[in-house]
Amino acid sequence: NAGVTQTPKFQVLKTGQSMTLQCAQDMNHEYMSWYRQDPGMGLRLIHYSVGAGITDQGEVPNGYNVSRSTTEDFPLRLLSAAPSQTSVYFCASSYSNTAYNSPLHFGNGTRLTVT
Amino acid sequence: AQSVTQLDSHVSVSEGTPVLLRCNYSSSYSPSLFWYVQHPNKGLQLLLKYTSAATLVKGINGFEAEFKKSETSFHLTKPSAHMSDAAEYFCVVRGLNTGFQKLVFGTGTRLLVSP
Repeated sequence: NAGVTQTPKFQVLKTGQSMTLQCAQDMNHEYMSWYRQDPGMGLRLIHYSVGAGITDQGEVPNGYNVSRSTTEDFPLRLLSAAPSQTSVYFCASSYSNTAYNSPLHFGNGTRLTVT
Repeated sequence: AQSVTQLDSHVSVSEGTPVLLRCNYSSSYSPSLFWYVQHPNKGLQLLLKYTSAATLVKGINGFEAEFKKSETSFHLTKPSAHMSDAAEYFCVVRGLNTGFQKLVFGTGTRLLVSP
């Protein structure tokens, strides 16, 4: 049972480059989301999806795009990387967005450095 | 609006001694409250949750937390620390029956356990 799988684990980009962070879950979860974690700031929501074909912005969406063409996959695209996007990125999923007994399951993270 | 404050950025204990990680919250309506743990280079794992049932909540690995509405607190405790408890802990709040996009994370408390 793989759970939430993120790739790559580490990435270094130059300013202006683009890339896609991959996230896949094998639990048939309807809700998926992307967070960034920065020192002293906790986790901040970038984008989320409540089902295939449905996405919405979170707290810090600028500079990032997402799509949800299948239930399993929720890639995060950086269109033109900036040093301010240096962070650790986490994908998280849950079988329901609102059920109180539905926990978030997190991937192991992608550490991104933009030089 | 909701917010959460973790009162200590670092807590150091000796193995076998009690653990107390403090969390205060602010919520304009009935909250759901969670504690997550993050071990190095890993994603976050749910420790326990409060969702308006019993005010004393038991979680995994011997942790528990008590919801005190009068003090707007949800402190995490464990009677006896183990070396494997060394990790970062996040207190999280959201409105009861609202979506995960309403989650607010605290800035984290790093627990250090010495032999």
